[in-house]
Amino acid sequence: NAGVTQTPKFRILKIGQSMTLQCTQDMNHNYMYWYRQDPGMGLKLIYYSVGAGITDKGEVPNGYNVSRSTTEDFPLRLELAAPSQTSVYFCASSYSNKGRTSTDTQYFGPGTRLTVL
Amino acid sequence: TQLLEQSPQFLSIQEGENLTVYCNSSSVFSSLQWYRQEPGEGPVLLVTVVTGGEVKKLKRLTFQFGDARKDSSLHITAAQPGDTGLYLCAGGNNNDMRFGAGTRLTVKP
Repeated sequence: NAGVTQTPKFRILKIGQSMTLQCTQDMNHNYMYWYRQDPGMGLKLIYYSVGAGITDKGEVPNGYNVSRSTTEDFPLRLELAAPSQTSVYFCASSYSNKGRTSTDTQYFGPGTRLTVL
Repeated sequence: TQLLEQSPQFLSIQEGENLTVYCNSSSVFSSLQWYRQEPGEGPVLLVTVVTGGEVKKLKRLTFQFGDARKDSSLHITAAQPGDTGLYLCAGGNNNDMRFGAGTRLTVKP
């Protein structure tokens, strides 16, 4: 199993450009998550999904959109990039058969480092 | 907002030394997780604790959940260079989990 894979690894955007961060997992997990990690700030949840076709906002969703058309894929879309979106983005997945709980083991991808200039 | 404060923010020690890092909050959590993150990689779960006062050991790492479930500590015995990384705690309630900013540990050979 490759686990959780993310592409690209690095990206530089100009203000106002758009892009999609790709995330794929091959563990048949029902839950998938997008986080951003800023220096000294910890991980912040952007969006999560409980299964194909179902997504929900996290702590910091503004400026982002997601979709979940398959179990495996959970892309994150930035429509109008802003300098405040400069960060490292992590995708994660987990499995639960009793609803999302704080004791679930989340498996993280290697991250995408995004710079908006 | 459930804030998790981790201390120290940075820690640099020599191989063989012992260390303790802390994760504190004014909020009560139903569970607490510790992750280790190496440069250029995502966090990897080390342990989950759910009971106040619970102690879990993972080789040279000892994790403790405070009696009141507001704080946790991670103790490393005889640190090795391979322990170098960012240690993150994450406190959870129901389906909500919040991460601390982490302690960046460097173990020098």
